[in-house]
Amino acid sequence: EVQLVESGGGLVKPGGSLRLPCVASGFTFSDVWMTWVRQAPGKGLEWIGRIKSHGGSGATEYAEPVKDRFTISRDDSKNMLYLQMNSLKTEDTAVYYCTTVGNRASASTFWGQGTLVIVSS
Amino acid sequence: DIQMTQPPSSLSASVGDRVTITCRATQSIGTSLNWYQQKAGKAPKLLIYAASTLQNGVPSRFSGSGSGTEFTLTISSLQPEDFATYYCQQGHSIPLTFGPGTKVDIK
Repeated sequence: EVQLVESGGGLVKPGGSLRLPCVASGFTFSDVWMTWVRQAPGKGLEWIGRIKSHGGSGATEYAEPVKDRFTISRDDSKNMLYLQMNSLKTEDTAVYYCTTVGNRASASTFWGQGTLVIVSS
Repeated sequence: DIQMTQPPSSLSASVGDRVTITCRATQSIGTSLNWYQQKAGKAPKLLIYAASTLQNGVPSRFSGSGSGTEFTLTISSLQPEDFATYYCQQGHSIPLTFGPGTKVDIK
């Protein structure tokens, strides 16, 4: 059974940093592209970025609002995905989900339960 | 960026109704369109990918169609557990973008 478990959320001040880990199990993590998606309170879904598998170069791509502030990385030896968030803004307040990416249409096939990040002074 | 729209933002329906939800893209995306269901307080769940392929384990009352810029998600006979918000997402180009969602509630 595929499982994705995010953690690391909490309250952080504007300008601060936070790292969100996502532990994966139930599939061959190293073969799979992964994404982060967020959802502000009461709002819709926003794609943040993705990381390819190392077989796919391990390259990362980001949405404009987080480019140069957020970094996605992976440790295939530990089945871990990370989201490093720097220079946080109040508008980054959201539930953050990690997801697997399927082979067609870049669909997010499996989702974690999410972790809440609140950016407030 | 490709923008996605989902008119209307909400609709009311009864158990047993046939429900159709629309999604439009601002430019052609072929069939790179995915549909998700989200219930309150829960993570989204993939229903359909590549416009019309049902994800494993999703009931056959859900179906998807369309190509280019216009897509539909159809629930053939609405069940109590289907009351939720439905999002479309284009997988054609970066940044991947979601529609604003259509909330299906009880009439």
